[in-house]
Amino acid sequence: QLQLQESGSGLVKPSQTLSLTCAVSGGSITIGGYSWTWIRQPPGKGLEWIGYIYHSGTTYYNPSLESRVTISIDNPQNQFSLRLTSVTAADTAVYYCAREKWPTAYLDYWGQGILVTVSP
Amino acid sequence: EIVVTQSPATLSVSPGERAILSCRASQSVGTNLAWYQQKPGQAPRLLVYDASTRAAGIPDRFSGSGSGTEFTLTISSLQSEDFAIYYCQQYNNRPPWTFGQGTKVEIK
Repeated sequence: QLQLQESGSGLVKPSQTLSLTCAVSGGSITIGGYSWTWIRQPPGKGLEWIGYIYHSGTTYYNPSLESRVTISIDNPQNQFSLRLTSVTAADTAVYYCAREKWPTAYLDYWGQGILVTVSP
Repeated sequence: EIVVTQSPATLSVSPGERAILSCRASQSVGTNLAWYQQKPGQAPRLLVYDASTRAAGIPDRFSGSGSGTEFTLTISSLQSEDFAIYYCQQYNNRPPWTFGQGTKVEIK
């Protein structure tokens, strides 16, 4: 059974960089036919797709965040990561990692999520 | 960017009754649409993809239909564990993929 687990700092100061990692177990991150995705959900609000990375390193980001986002992949460690720079309170959210079916793009496995709060 | 709108925002239903949730896209997405269920404190769970295909392990009381811009998720007989928030997501053509704002199904 595939499992995804987010980790990283739960508290980030404004203007600093948010960094999260998603560890994948029970399956290989290099398997074809899937990409690896970050989604976020502000408290009490809906879901926002942030971007994905394929095991080759190909990425695609939401244009609304593209100038601040980097998603990277570590195939030997079977994990992928999210960096979001210059954070503000508006970036406070639960961040989820998920597996995305490719080239269709439904999300079939999700991590449990990690709350990241942006506060001084 | 394709805008996805769900209705109603809240649906009050008695256990055993049928629930019908709607999702509308601002332009045609073909059948490139998925439905998710989210319970408090949990990650979303995939219910339906490609508009009408149930995901693995999903009970057959959940069914999806529609194409183009109009989609429906029907829960034929609501069980206690079905009270949750439901989101639809479009994944047509190219990113960014977008979600609806959600429909909360609550006990009447």
